[in-house]
Amino acid sequence: QVQLVQSGAEVKKPGASVKISCKASGYTFTSDLIHWVRQAPGQRLEWMGWINAGNGNTKYSQKFQDRVTITRDTSASSAYMELSGLRSEDTAVYYCARDKKVEGYYYYYMDVWGKGTTVTVSS
Amino acid sequence: ERVMTQSPATLSVSPGERATLSCRASQSVSTNLAWYQQKPGQAPRLLIYGASTRATGIPARFSGSGSGTEFTLTISSLQSEDFAVYHCQQYNNWPLTFGGGTKVEIK
Repeated sequence: QVQLVQSGAEVKKPGASVKISCKASGYTFTSDLIHWVRQAPGQRLEWMGWINAGNGNTKYSQKFQDRVTITRDTSASSAYMELSGLRSEDTAVYYCARDKKVEGYYYYYMDVWGKGTTVTVSS
Repeated sequence: ERVMTQSPATLSVSPGERATLSCRASQSVSTNLAWYQQKPGQAPRLLIYGASTRATGIPARFSGSGSGTEFTLTISSLQSEDFAVYHCQQYNNWPLTFGGGTKVEIK
């Protein structure tokens, strides 16, 4: 079955960077997009960006443009999200999620989600 | 940015009853709207896309309607497993944005 398996929880100090992985299985990784979405405690879901796992093209939310980098390794069927300049407000659960290509198009909703990676930023 | 507003924030419903959840967009998003269900400690699960199309494996008691700025998710007869938080998401414009969620709790 289609699965996205994320790396484990992280604790970081303010100013540091974090890199989270998302390993896909059960489908052709390079056919689809991978989004990254975060959820801070008590806050709404927040979209950060996506990567086209096939050609590596990316699109980022303007809010995170200067601090986030999304990459992929097709040989590992994995996507990665690196967030730099961490501050306490970045404490959140970070999710990767698939956006499946349908009849040649991406529609930008997410049909399969990873279980999430908790990132805690604390001095 | 399209701001998505969900109401009510909390909905208390008895099992077997109907639940009606609302999602409003600050500007039109056509029918480019999805609904997700999220249970505590779990990732969101896609229920509805295109405002009214059920995702694979989603029971028929879940239905979505609306277009433009007003959308509704209806759960026709609440089952115990349906008590959760429901999020709407627009994908008509960048950035993708989510509503603040509606918690459906047992009355």
